[in-house]
Amino acid sequence: QKEVEQDPGPLSVPEGAIVSLNCTYSNSAFQYFMWYRQYSRKGPELLMYTYSSGNKEDGRFTAQVDKSSKYISLFIRDSQPSDSATYLCALLSGYSTLTFGKGTMLLVSP
Amino acid sequence: EAQVTQNPRYLITVTGKKLTVTCSQNMNHEYMSWYRQDPGLGLRQIYYSMNVEVTDKGDVPEGYKVSRKEKRNFPLILESPSPNQTSLYFCASSPNGAGYGYTFGSGTRLTVV
Repeated sequence: QKEVEQDPGPLSVPEGAIVSLNCTYSNSAFQYFMWYRQYSRKGPELLMYTYSSGNKEDGRFTAQVDKSSKYISLFIRDSQPSDSATYLCALLSGYSTLTFGKGTMLLVSP
Repeated sequence: EAQVTQNPRYLITVTGKKLTVTCSQNMNHEYMSWYRQDPGLGLRQIYYSMNVEVTDKGDVPEGYKVSRKEKRNFPLILESPSPNQTSLYFCASSPNGAGYGYTFGSGTRLTVV
């Protein structure tokens, strides 16, 4: 079983929709959870990070972590065409071991 | 502007010809790392460095070398490139460990023929 599972998509939604992106993991050692966004031909950029179970909100983005189920989510409200990108979850164990999901491609149509 | 700068952006080379991809950051970050990104495999860590003269292997270090002689620079060296090293490479830096979130460079698209 892979350490981090993420549906590759693509996920296609109309503008204004609520988007749910998810990752599951198997290693209980993961303690920090991040979401990165990667536009085509660009490096990933950090969107959000959290280390506890529960929700963390930042504008239109909400990160949710359920450690008991080993499940993390990123919700995007009022999605915009500019949100079209690949979203990568990233999970940290220890000081430097960051494991990335393979990414979900999101397409938001006007 | 705070950034991680990689050069070159695109490179086509032949098998066995040594090459270096440079990486420089202007944020005084202690932690730097190299990743490769391949379709279906995602981002995989090659090497990382916690500080000057301190480097360690990531998940896929074979065929690569790194050095950290100065805080701002972290070059990736391919002594004898092979076609299976054709990939998209990213350099990243962080203030102190991967848990603080990386700033990534724009990537280097390497093709080895």
